[in-house]
Amino acid sequence: QSVLTQPPSVSGAPGQRVTISCTGSSSNIGAGYDVHWYQQLPGTAPKLLIYGNNNRPSGVPDRFSGSKSGTSASLAITGLQAEDEADYYCQSYDSSLSGWVFGGGTKLTVL
Amino acid sequence: EVQLVESGGGLVQPGGSLRLSCAASGFTFSSYWMSWVRQAPGKGLEWVANIKQDGSEKYYVDSVKGRFTISRDNAKNSLYLQMNSLRAEDTAVYYCARDGQTVTPSVDYWGQGTLVTVSS
Repeated sequence: QSVLTQPPSVSGAPGQRVTISCTGSSSNIGAGYDVHWYQQLPGTAPKLLIYGNNNRPSGVPDRFSGSKSGTSASLAITGLQAEDEADYYCQSYDSSLSGWVFGGGTKLTVL
Repeated sequence: EVQLVESGGGLVQPGGSLRLSCAASGFTFSSYWMSWVRQAPGKGLEWVANIKQDGSEKYYVDSVKGRFTISRDNAKNSLYLQMNSLRAEDTAVYYCARDGQTVTPSVDYWGQGTLVTVSS
């Protein structure tokens, strides 16, 4: 059971928009801690996709965007492409655990 | 180019020990917090431990406290994870990770990972 809750899977057709939610609590996202998102392509290490709720590292397409409100955050992917098929993880910090916390991950399938 | 290369993984019996190493290059190692993050087979990511730039602060996930020790050698640009009293549930790919310099900690670079298998 992960501290941050994500849907196990989402899917969409090429060109469509999908969103992935990340729900936390008052000790992590709701406490004001930022949310980061990672993309993990099959068989590879994770890669930073969004940091500080809504910032993209250099090289990440602007099709990827993040938002945060209250105790939740979301990752949106527009103009879905086959290469976006991957696992996506949200991450934050939890004050009651005094440590980093990850969501359980969401598998994105491009139909 | 930032590079993080892990080594030291392998098969170990329950109750055994293993020491993971991570060789860092392409950045000023002594300027960054560093972390270990693991991923059990077919499962999600789990933060294991992190260490401050000078090694003066170390933090661990509850499940490894008292069994794992994170350390670093800034002269050798290396990060370590000493794992003792290993259990089957410690089986995972262990990633060396550079902490991004964000207000809430994040990982901006990951190693390729090293597999630790705890089994008799």
